[in-house]
Amino acid sequence: AQTVTQSQPEMSVQEAETVTLSCTYDTSESDYYLFWYKQPPSRQMILVIRQEAYKQQNATENRFSVNFQKAAKSFSLKISDSQLGDAAMYFCAYRGYFTSGTYKYIFGTGTRLKVLA
Amino acid sequence: DGGITQSPKYLFRKEGQNVTLSCEQNLNHDAMYWYRQDPGQGLRLIYYSQIVNDFQKGDIAEGYSVSREKKESFPLTVTSAQKNPTAFYLCASSMTVSYNEQFFGPGTRLTVL
Repeated sequence: AQTVTQSQPEMSVQEAETVTLSCTYDTSESDYYLFWYKQPPSRQMILVIRQEAYKQQNATENRFSVNFQKAAKSFSLKISDSQLGDAAMYFCAYRGYFTSGTYKYIFGTGTRLKVLA
Repeated sequence: DGGITQSPKYLFRKEGQNVTLSCEQNLNHDAMYWYRQDPGQGLRLIYYSQIVNDFQKGDIAEGYSVSREKKESFPLTVTSAQKNPTAFYLCASSMTVSYNEQFFGPGTRLTVL
């Protein structure tokens, strides 16, 4: 069965510094998508960044970038120049396709990021 | 503005009662989803729908039911068979079920008294 693991329940970073959030996953599929979602105190889930498994190039969105290591099944999120507004819960998520015709979305347990002024 | 609305924001239910959570989207998306969020457990998929009049069970469908009579609407009923219904419920949609970005609503907090 597919699993997504976020081993850091909480992280802290100083404003303007860089922080990396870890995510590992387990799958036997070769074609899948990986995501990082942000959930601020309002609890509205917001997509931060996505990565397609068949693409070797790491995805980047402004201050957010990923380190995708397919063989190691690792998908970490790097936040550069951290801002107070980055404080939130961050969820790593996996989406795979099954031959039964169904899709499966699996979320990690989340990492709470605190940004210190 | 296009988006997903969920109502109500907070919902209280007495034990043994069924309750229906509303989810509406005006994004013209085919696919819609219901997730449950508990502390320390992330999001878990309850049901999803690829198209009108179709829906599939997720990982934790027991004690829940859904309908998809209109493209815009995907209500979730929490039945009395759900043993531990107190949780935060999130609705999401995507252009199609194969499209890789989901858009989420603001959520409904359900508390069983």
